[in-house]
Amino acid sequence: QSALTQPASVSGSPGQWITISCIGSSSDIGAYNYVSWYQQHPGKAPKLMIYDVTNRPSGISNRFSGSKSGYTASLTISGLQAEDEADYYCCSHTSDNTFEFGGGTKLTVL
Amino acid sequence: EVQLVESGGGWVQPGGSLRLSCAASGFAFSEYTMSWVRQAPGKGLEWVAKLKEDRSEEYYGASVKGRFTISRDNAKNSLFLQMSSLRVEDAAVYYCARGGRSRFDAWGQGTLVTVSS
Repeated sequence: QSALTQPASVSGSPGQWITISCIGSSSDIGAYNYVSWYQQHPGKAPKLMIYDVTNRPSGISNRFSGSKSGYTASLTISGLQAEDEADYYCCSHTSDNTFEFGGGTKLTVL
Repeated sequence: EVQLVESGGGWVQPGGSLRLSCAASGFAFSEYTMSWVRQAPGKGLEWVAKLKEDRSEEYYGASVKGRFTISRDNAKNSLFLQMSSLRVEDAAVYYCARGGRSRFDAWGQGTLVTVSS
């Protein structure tokens, strides 16, 4: 069981928006603004999409955005596209200087 | 272009040992904390270990602490993971990743470790 809780799956139609939640605790998400999100297509390595809660690396579409409130972080994808279909993982730095990943969310674009 | 290339994976019996390597290029390796992250077949990501750029601090996930050792050779732009007392549940694709402070911004393609009798 992961320390960070994500929904197993979410879905949306092309052009719509979806949000993936990531619930942590006072020792991870609640303690630091070091939440990151990763996209992983089947058979591929993960790819950084959001870091430090809200920041997008160079080259990542502004359709991807992140936020945090209390112990919950969220990833929002607007204007859904077929290529967004993938697994998404949240990750947080923890109070013992380690990292925790969420269990992952499978995004289906209908 | 940032590149991370893992090697050293393979099959090992429970209780055995294996050493993974990661060759880095395209960036100043000696200036970055580096990490290992693994993914069991069909499962999610699990952070394994990280090592600061100057080797002054190293941290491990609870499931591997005391059995795995992370190390690096900055002169050879290489990261290593020595794995001992391997268990069936250690079977996974092991990724080398740049970072270990707030994010992992570059990943290798992974190397597969199989643990079975």
